[in-house]
Amino acid sequence: EAGVAQSPRYKIIEKRQSVAFWCNPISGHATLYWYQQILGQGPKLLIQFQNNGVVDDSQLPKDRFSAERLKGVDSTLKIQPAKLEDSAVYLCASSLWGDEQFFGPGTRLTVL
Amino acid sequence: KQEVTQIPAALSVPEGENLVLNCSFTDSAIYNLQWFRQDPGKGLTSLLLIQSSQREQTSGRLNASLDKSSGRSTLYIAASQPGDSATYLCAVEGATNKLIFGTGTLLAVQP
Repeated sequence: EAGVAQSPRYKIIEKRQSVAFWCNPISGHATLYWYQQILGQGPKLLIQFQNNGVVDDSQLPKDRFSAERLKGVDSTLKIQPAKLEDSAVYLCASSLWGDEQFFGPGTRLTVL
Repeated sequence: KQEVTQIPAALSVPEGENLVLNCSFTDSAIYNLQWFRQDPGKGLTSLLLIQSSQREQTSGRLNASLDKSSGRSTLYIAASQPGDSATYLCAVEGATNKLIFGTGTLLAVQP
């Protein structure tokens, strides 16, 4: 069974630029999560989808971050404009129905 | 608000030693607690998941315990190996189905 796929694996941008990350969850998994992990910290949930709908986006900085999950499968997370403090690893995870989560390899973002 | 703390932040041991990693949480109303492993540049790998009704779970050389009333969990690693070197994260899940993570313990096992 294929795991959670993410791309790109690494991205370096200048502040105020925009960036997008892509996630393909495990086939059949209804729940998809995006986490932000700043160096030296544990992952923090940004947004949780159940199929197409948003379950929790309370910690998503909505003035600059957006996420969508079209057709209840793939998801994209966008940052526009990026700030220096957005430098982090962005992790995508999926679960069958809100139970055990399986994580992708992450995208390491560096904002200069 | 749930807070998760892990002690120590870093640990270095010689190969073959048994070791214990600690995790504490402030709100005992949890559904489960999970231990993850994270290798540099990689995602998270789930090691053990303990349901709130359970006291411990074992997988190979790993044993995790849970004491909900005191808000504590331990991850015991027997006969450590250099391949065990990684960051170990614990996370608790509450009523919102949201995982709250600790800051992790960076483990180095010296050959």
